Amino acid sequence: AQSVTQLGSHVSVSEGALVLLRCNYSSSVPPYLFWYVQYPNQGLQLLLKYTSAATLVKGINGFEAEFKKSETSFHLTKPSAHMSDAAEYFCAVSGRRYNTDKLIFGTGTRLQVFP
Amino acid sequence: DTAVSQTPKYLVTQMGNDKSIKCEQNLGHDTMYWYKQDSKKFLKIMFSYNNKELIINETVPNRFSPKSPDKAHLNLHINSLELGDSAVYFCASSPQDRGYEQYFGPGTRLTVT
Repeated sequence: AQSVTQLGSHVSVSEGALVLLRCNYSSSVPPYLFWYVQYPNQGLQLLLKYTSAATLVKGINGFEAEFKKSETSFHLTKPSAHMSDAAEYFCAVSGRRYNTDKLIFGTGTRLQVFP
Repeated sequence: DTAVSQTPKYLVTQMGNDKSIKCEQNLGHDTMYWYKQDSKKFLKIMFSYNNKELIINETVPNRFSPKSPDKAHLNLHINSLELGDSAVYFCASSPQDRGYEQYFGPGTRLTVT
């Protein structure tokens, strides 16, 4: 079985501060891992994905994430927060040896950015 | 030129009614999905179709029936709507190959009164 745990349902940072959103996964097969962002009243947009090519993954809008197998983690970071980063962030996992790519999502982390 | 589109964007209806949500993708993808996002923002897959064939049915009540007339369309029909069906429903699509990200539609906010 696969699962994702996002630590912290709410994270608040000041503009210009480091953003760190935590994600831990559980998977019995090598995972594919994703971070999606959801702005208010919108659909989900892919930020970045890990598919085993490189452990440090760079995404859009200055975000990156590092896959750490030993820690079963895939934390999302951004060096300097911008007001426009305020949104809901979802970590998701899918299994590489299963027949389908259904995404299993974490419960989400709401990022607030203060001026 | 929206990649994944859904109609309607908002749907307000009464308990017991039957309603449909439509989804279309112009990305040429083989696989399409329906996800449900509840009031606490939790996202869970409901169905997936690959080339019009049902692949995943995640213990969704029989009142929900997906239909895929062709691989670019995946509609969701809901019978006898209940209060608990109120949620945002997202359609998504992806290529058949493993490891590709899923592209999500803008969502349909269903409110059952």
